[in-house]
Amino acid sequence: QKEVEQDPGPLSVPEGAIVSLNCTYSNSAFQYFMWYRQYSRKGPELLMYTYSSGNKEDGRFTAQVDKSSKYISLFIRDSQPSDSATYLCAGARGGSYIPTFGRGTSLIVHP
Amino acid sequence: EADIYQTPRYLVIGTGKKITLECSQTMGHDKMYWYQQDPGMELHLIHYSYGVNSTEKGDLSSESTVSRIRTEHFPLTLESARPSHTSQYLCASSVGTGYSGANVLTFGAGSRLTVL
Repeated sequence: QKEVEQDPGPLSVPEGAIVSLNCTYSNSAFQYFMWYRQYSRKGPELLMYTYSSGNKEDGRFTAQVDKSSKYISLFIRDSQPSDSATYLCAGARGGSYIPTFGRGTSLIVHP
Repeated sequence: EADIYQTPRYLVIGTGKKITLECSQTMGHDKMYWYQQDPGMELHLIHYSYGVNSTEKGDLSSESTVSRIRTEHFPLTLESARPSHTSQYLCASSVGTGYSGANVLTFGAGSRLTVL
C-alpha cells in the first residue's frame, strides 16, 4: 500500500471555480503535512505546510488535515489560469521530517 | 530566482556510460536530498544527507551513489547507465529546523536523463 495516495487527474475547471484537491495517507506516524505545486519543467515549490489536524489558510488557499480519517485537502478559491499545475501532497513523521509524496494531481484552469 | 542549481537539465546518453548529475545550493542548508520522479508517479527519495560526509540511502533502491564533501554540493553518480535509469532526478535542500517541524524543501528544476 502506498503511503500517500492521490488521484492523478487531470482536473479541469473554469476560471473562478473553487477547486478541491484531496489525498489519503496510511502512515499513522505522519504529523506534518504539505502541499507542493509543480509547474511543467520545474521543481516542486512549497505551497502550504500544516502540523497535525486542522485548517490553515493563506490567501486563496486553504489546507485541511483530518488525522482521524487520514485525509488531506487543499482548497483553491477563485481559481486562475496561473494555478494550472500539478499539486503534490506529502506527509512527514517527526524525527526525520523527510516528506513522502503522492503522485500529484494535474489541475487545469481554463479561461 | 532559484537558489539550488542542477546541471545538466537534459542529458541523453548511451548505455554503459558513467554520468554525474550536479547539484549546488547557495543557501547554506545542511540537509540535501535526491528524488526520482517518473511521469505521473510519486517522487521517490533515493538519497539524502544531513551534512558534510553524511549520506544515506532513501526509500527507493537505486544503483546511483552520492557524495557530500562540501555543504553546498551534492552530486549523484551512475557508474554505468542503463535504460532503466531513464527518469527525472530532482535535487532539494532544507534547513531542517526539526523543533518547529518546518522542514521545508527547496527543489532544483531537475535533470531529465534519457539512457538509450
